[in-house]
Amino acid sequence: EAQVTQNPRYLITVTGKKLTVTCSQNMNHEYMSWYRQDPGLGLRQIYYSMNVEVTDKGDVPEGYKVSRKEKRNFPLILESPSPNQTSLYFCASSFRRDRDYEQYFGPGTRLTVT
Amino acid sequence: SQQGEEDPQALSIQEGENATMNCSYKTSINNLQWYRQNSGRGLVHLILIRSNEREKHSGRLRVTLDTSKKSSSLLITASRAADTASYFCATDRGSTLGRLYFGRGTQLTVWP
Repeated sequence: EAQVTQNPRYLITVTGKKLTVTCSQNMNHEYMSWYRQDPGLGLRQIYYSMNVEVTDKGDVPEGYKVSRKEKRNFPLILESPSPNQTSLYFCASSFRRDRDYEQYFGPGTRLTVT
Repeated sequence: SQQGEEDPQALSIQEGENATMNCSYKTSINNLQWYRQNSGRGLVHLILIRSNEREKHSGRLRVTLDTSKKSSSLLITASRAADTASYFCATDRGSTLGRLYFGRGTQLTVWP
């Protein structure tokens, strides 16, 4: 089944404790991205990657890191999480058809930083 | 930064009625897409309309696009309780690099 998977789905952690949220897709998509979703703010893009070893900042990259060493994986790293990073996180992947990109989303990771 | 702005923020209707949501945007686009999100879950792609198209249908969904007004509408006909979800529009701002810019969404509630 074509899908984007994220782990963990739920995480409660403490300020300053490094964590990684994994994202994997099995559709051989070139493009992957991370979003955070907060009430009243919609989806905001954190980082995106157009291909292996090619990443770029989205609209809210502060406090996050990413890497794209393999096409299928795009982990999100929080080196020193803070309470303002409490949010619902989504990974997405897409491929290009003509000029169009249709994104496939993972199920989400709900992160709470205390 | 946000691109699409959906209107209304919330919509509440009875089963069987039609639901119309609007989206406005600010830049040129290659396409505009609509996504659906059930509470707390991942977004699911519904329909894509290209900038040279004016109307598109998919099942009970009808999307229109007016590039001169930089606006789009999503019509769901004969709504069902299962249509209860948030609906987001997204545009590419004319880029072919793959980024999408989402609005804040419309929360649709369909009462049985």
